[in-house]
Amino acid sequence: KAGVTQTPRYLIKTRGQQVTLSCSPISGHRSVSWYQQTPGQGLQFLFEYFSETQRNKGNFPGRFSGRQFSNSRSEMNVSTLELGDSALYLCASSQGQGLTDTQYFGPGTRLTVL
Amino acid sequence: QKEVEQNSGPLSVPEGAIASLNCTYSDRGSQSFFWYRQYSGKSPELIMFIYSNGDKEDGRFTAQLNKASQYVSLLIRDSQPSDSATYLCAAPSASYDKVIFGPGTSLSVIP
Repeated sequence: KAGVTQTPRYLIKTRGQQVTLSCSPISGHRSVSWYQQTPGQGLQFLFEYFSETQRNKGNFPGRFSGRQFSNSRSEMNVSTLELGDSALYLCASSQGQGLTDTQYFGPGTRLTVL
Repeated sequence: QKEVEQNSGPLSVPEGAIASLNCTYSDRGSQSFFWYRQYSGKSPELIMFIYSNGDKEDGRFTAQLNKASQYVSLLIRDSQPSDSATYLCAAPSASYDKVIFGPGTSLSVIP
């Protein structure tokens, strides 16, 4: 069974731009969660989507948004990029029993904001 | 107080020794705990999960949970250089609305 895939793997943007990241979960998994990982803050939960609905949300500003499609694929969007948004963005999929479910991480998208 | 705390390390152990990684959490309502391993430049991968007080063993790995002390640990027996990585402890919040990761402990196994 194929693992979680994320595209693109690397991205360079400038301040003020917006970016869209994509995540395809493991086949049969209905939940997709997004995380931001930085050296200073570690791994932080952004949000979780299940059946095309945002089920849970972390403490990030409204510039961070996402959506999930009927095939469980998910996208994350960051608008008005700031230098501090430079990070590794990870998505994780699970079968969908909730946040106690085992999550499988994708390889991540490395975003650099200049 | 951070919700999930870990010693950042680095923790260095000789090959063949037992590595002990510790994690404390502040949300007394947390019920399940996960240990992930993350190699440099890679994404986290699940090592163990534990829900019940006591020990859970899987090969060279043993997770220990003490809910009264709000403490969870990971023991790695017969440590190998390939175990050198950052180990992340994680727990859903008591309200199950977010997953909280600790800062990670960097482990180095010296040949």
